[in-house]
Amino acid sequence: DAKTTQPTSMDCAEGRAANLPCNHSTISGNEYVYWYRQIHSQGPQYIIHGLKNNETNEMASLIITEDRKSSTLILPHATLRDTAVYYCIAIINTGTASKLTFGTGTRLQVTL
Amino acid sequence: DVKVTQSSRYLVKRTGEKVFLECVQDMDHENMFWYRQDPGLGLRLIYFSYDVKMKEKGDIPEGYSVSREKKERFSLILESASTNQTSMYLCASRPTSGAEQFFGPGTRLTVL
Repeated sequence: DAKTTQPTSMDCAEGRAANLPCNHSTISGNEYVYWYRQIHSQGPQYIIHGLKNNETNEMASLIITEDRKSSTLILPHATLRDTAVYYCIAIINTGTASKLTFGTGTRLQVTL
Repeated sequence: DVKVTQSSRYLVKRTGEKVFLECVQDMDHENMFWYRQDPGLGLRLIYFSYDVKMKEKGDIPEGYSVSREKKERFSLILESASTNQTSMYLCASRPTSGAEQFFGPGTRLTVL
């Protein structure tokens, strides 16, 4: 799996968009970009994933650069409940048991 | 909604005790995983299973074993607990055809 690099921490004002970057410069053609988050004392929660096209769901948007070497997770209107650690992972989605390797992620603090 | 439950949120055991951590999922997922999470080390895979009675070692299987007698249940066993196994243990499940893993709430195990 390609190594990913994320900033250690970020702050965002409530109601504003939170843009969380991730670098994955060694990503291979068949590796997907996945985003999870972990709110304190809870298990990780899946947010979104993509291969090369931008994706959007009810939680967030994922923007992947054309060369696929980086991506940005966007929470369009951050709330206090979005305070969490966000993990970016590059992984092959083989359809069988794909293990996840979480790094240390980005700690997002949403403030009033 | 997919639900992954773990038998305990908090557990305290003594060194040398045999410890069972149970995980149950209700969505008929083929794949199940056990991770441990430690500060500064992120999430590390202990074992996973892609079918009943099937198991595969993850990155840190030493000191652990697993059991998958039924599709919905995946048990993690610490044969003789040691203090370095004090950690947060997370169970997850994933369908073969799906993309994301669904995590349980975690069990915080303390070995004294």
